[in-house]
Amino acid sequence: NAGVTQTPKFQVLKTGQSMTLQCAQDMNHNSMYWYRQDPGMGLRLIYYSASEGTTDKGEVPNGYNVSRLNKREFSLRLESAAPSQTSVYFCASSVQGLRTGELFFGEGSRLTVL
Amino acid sequence: AQKVTQAQTEISVVEKEDVTLDCVYETRDTTYYLFWYKQPPSGELVFLIRRNSFDEQNEISGRYSWNFQKSTSSFNFTITASQVVDSAVYFCALSEAGSNYQLIWGAGTKLIIKP
Repeated sequence: NAGVTQTPKFQVLKTGQSMTLQCAQDMNHNSMYWYRQDPGMGLRLIYYSASEGTTDKGEVPNGYNVSRLNKREFSLRLESAAPSQTSVYFCASSVQGLRTGELFFGEGSRLTVL
Repeated sequence: AQKVTQAQTEISVVEKEDVTLDCVYETRDTTYYLFWYKQPPSGELVFLIRRNSFDEQNEISGRYSWNFQKSTSSFNFTITASQVVDSAVYFCALSEAGSNYQLIWGAGTKLIIKP
């Protein structure tokens, strides 16, 4: 039971470098999400994809881009990393939004930007 | 505007004590969904419960129970006979029917169970 898989689990970047976080789910879910979690705070939504072929901004989209590659995969890209993007990133999926059920989360990716 | 408040930043109890984690929410929607998640020290997020606004029955699952009261906009979580393995950060969250993909999170309550 893989569920939601994120890679990499840890990454250190220098300011200005770019990187992509990968996420894949094997539950045949339609909706996928990227969140960030900062110390002492709840999760904040960066982007989401309601279904394959669509993406929408969440609360904190600035500095990020996403791609819904297919139904299984949803990637998050940092084009020019900044120290303010140091955080733990979580990918999640759900059947179809939140009316039909809960979010299933990946294990998280810890990103440090120096 | 929608909001979730978990006023207890940190709670520390001795094993076997009962403990209640408070969650107060604000919403204008009549249809909404409430969630609790657990985040143990290992960092993953574990789903505990989902409740819709039309179902006010209390829920019990083993040592866990939830008290949903629309009159006070609260959805509190009680652990009975706490165990060290219950140590974690617990998050309450709200989704309004009108925002199917947006989950509003509380700041979390860190629960420490001492042996």
